[in-house]
Amino acid sequence: QSALTQPRSVSGSPGQSVTISCTGTSSDVGGYNYVSWYQQHPGKAPKLMIYDVSKRPSGVPDRFSGSKSGNTASLTISGLQAEDEADYYCCSYAGSSWVFGGGTKLTVL
Amino acid sequence: EVQLVQSGAEVKKPGESLKISCKGSGYSFTSYWIGWVRQMPGKGLEWMGIIYPGDSDTRYSPSFQGQVTISADKSISTAYLQWSSLKASDTAMYYCARQSGGGYYYMDVWGKGTTVTVSS
Repeated sequence: QSALTQPRSVSGSPGQSVTISCTGTSSDVGGYNYVSWYQQHPGKAPKLMIYDVSKRPSGVPDRFSGSKSGNTASLTISGLQAEDEADYYCCSYAGSSWVFGGGTKLTVL
Repeated sequence: EVQLVQSGAEVKKPGESLKISCKGSGYSFTSYWIGWVRQMPGKGLEWMGIIYPGDSDTRYSPSFQGQVTISADKSISTAYLQWSSLKASDTAMYYCARQSGGGYYYMDVWGKGTTVTVSS
């Protein structure tokens, strides 16, 4: 069971939009609509940002959105803010187990 | 307030045993799965396994099967992660998380983590 593939880093200026991709296989991302995304600031626990591919938990700004096409899921952050700078991880159900992506470091320039 | 409170940092020697805990409060502990996630220093998140405290049904990642044991005591709303013989490569931060959604599809509440350091 290999980790999902994410870009190691992305960056954007305040107010811009960035998209983070998460590529898996038909056994995980492509096989289920159970992709979730987590934000992790340094020294902190992860925080759920998106679940079931595109749903936002209460309290998460609508600047965060998720989508999926085939074996690739994506997290888009629009109207970038300084506090969005963090590591982001995708996670997919893979049939009685879960697999995370390697993580993407978002830098707000 | 829904929260998971994890036990404190541990420093152990190779070969020693260890059991860390995760206590749930503010919700029905027996109705949600609890997952464990490893984060090695400077690395990403790795899913280790889950347990349903209601009946102790447990699932493991193939990568961690046989390496750790996940258990729960529903009488005190606590889940556990244990090792019988630690290795230096077990040095990491370990998070517990409540897995929700149609049963368990995402992790919506996280503990603050337990740091485990294994060094001779």
